[in-house]
Amino acid sequence: KAGVTQTPRYLIKTRGQQVTLSCSPISGHRSVSWYQQTPGQGLQFLFEYFSETQRNKGNFPGRFSGRQFSNSRSEMNVSTLELGDSALYLCASSFGQGAGGYTFGSGTRLTVV
Amino acid sequence: GESVGLHLPTLSVQEGDNSIINCAYSNSASDYFIWYKQESGKGPQFIIDIRSNMDKRQGQRVTVLLNKTVKHLSLQIAATQPGDSAVYFCAEITDSWGKFQFGAGTQVVVTP
Repeated sequence: KAGVTQTPRYLIKTRGQQVTLSCSPISGHRSVSWYQQTPGQGLQFLFEYFSETQRNKGNFPGRFSGRQFSNSRSEMNVSTLELGDSALYLCASSFGQGAGGYTFGSGTRLTVV
Repeated sequence: GESVGLHLPTLSVQEGDNSIINCAYSNSASDYFIWYKQESGKGPQFIIDIRSNMDKRQGQRVTVLLNKTVKHLSLQIAATQPGDSAVYFCAEITDSWGKFQFGAGTQVVVTP
């Protein structure tokens, strides 16, 4: 079966711009989580969506937002990009609570210049 | 585990030997734990999980041990192979499903 698909794989943006990243979960998975991974901070939780509702949010500024569509696909948006937003953004999906671990995609590598 | 700064601890192990990767988690109320493996250029890959009502769980060549008294988690890999070279993360769920707290990771290097 197809895994978690994230697009694009690589992205270069300029400070001040905004960016939208996309995640297609495994078919049937309704929970989608987003993480930011950097060498300095490791894996940091951004937010989690279940059935189009944001259930959890991490400690990131309001410039980071997301949404989930009725087909469980999710997008995250970062506005007014800063150099420190350069990171690997990972999406993970799961059936839901108690249903085992999350399956991660390969990530989107965002570079802000 | 807490997210820490720049330097990942490294475990160097000879091919064929057993590996033990340790993780100290932060919240005594955490009730679900996962070990993930991340190879260069890829997302984390699920290895094995364990719930807080268990002390030990075994998979194929891997065993996870949970010691709630000292908030310690370990991953044992039997007969380590070159393909096991990767960064290994422990993760815990604290208050909400889907919101994992990841440890800093351990770099495992398998030498021939």
